Amino acid sequence: DAKTTQPNSMESNEEEPVHLPCNHSTISGTDYIHWYRQLPSQGPEYVIHGLTSNVNNRMASLAIAEDRKSSTLILHRATLRDAAVYYCILYHSGGSNYKLTFGKGTLLTVNP
Amino acid sequence: DTGVSQNPRHKITKRGQNVTFRCDPISEHNRLYWYRQTLGQGPEFLTYFQNEAQLEKSRLLSDRFSAERPKGSFSTLEIQRTEQGDSAMYLCASSPRRLAGDNTGELFFGEGSRLTVL
Repeated sequence: DAKTTQPNSMESNEEEPVHLPCNHSTISGTDYIHWYRQLPSQGPEYVIHGLTSNVNNRMASLAIAEDRKSSTLILHRATLRDAAVYYCILYHSGGSNYKLTFGKGTLLTVNP
Repeated sequence: DTGVSQNPRHKITKRGQNVTFRCDPISEHNRLYWYRQTLGQGPEFLTYFQNEAQLEKSRLLSDRFSAERPKGSFSTLEIQRTEQGDSAMYLCASSPRRLAGDNTGELFFGEGSRLTVL
């Protein structure tokens, strides 16, 4: 499986934008870039995913580099409820591989 | 709420006892996953079902672990002769089949079952 590299931790202030980076230099053409987050004492929840183009949804935006070797999850205005571990995962679509492989993720702290 | 449901949420047991966890996936989701998560680590894949068929098992799933999904709906994960190293959060997730072939891999997780082995 292609791997991702994320910083162990990041800190932000409430109501400021947050840019969470992810490197995936060995990504293949059919790998989707997924982001999940895990709030304290909860299971992971889906945030956003993309393949080549930037994506926006109600939770966040995903900016994908032109060469697809890196991506950035953008939280436009961080709130205290956004404090969580954020996982960047490559998902190989198709074939018989339907599982997500999680790394350690980035622990985001949001200061009031 | 029709999310993924896991029971029990917490289980404390003595070493050597057997424990069973149950997962009720979102209705009509034909894919079901079990993951294990220890403190400070991301979830680790254990096993995967498509309907009632167990299609993949991780090497982490020793002979003491068994998972079933008898009718393609709920699933159980049993751990026999528990060891202290089995203490972890056991997470279940489900995913729908994408008929259009756009299998984008979104998983819906439950809140997990926390196991403590004394």
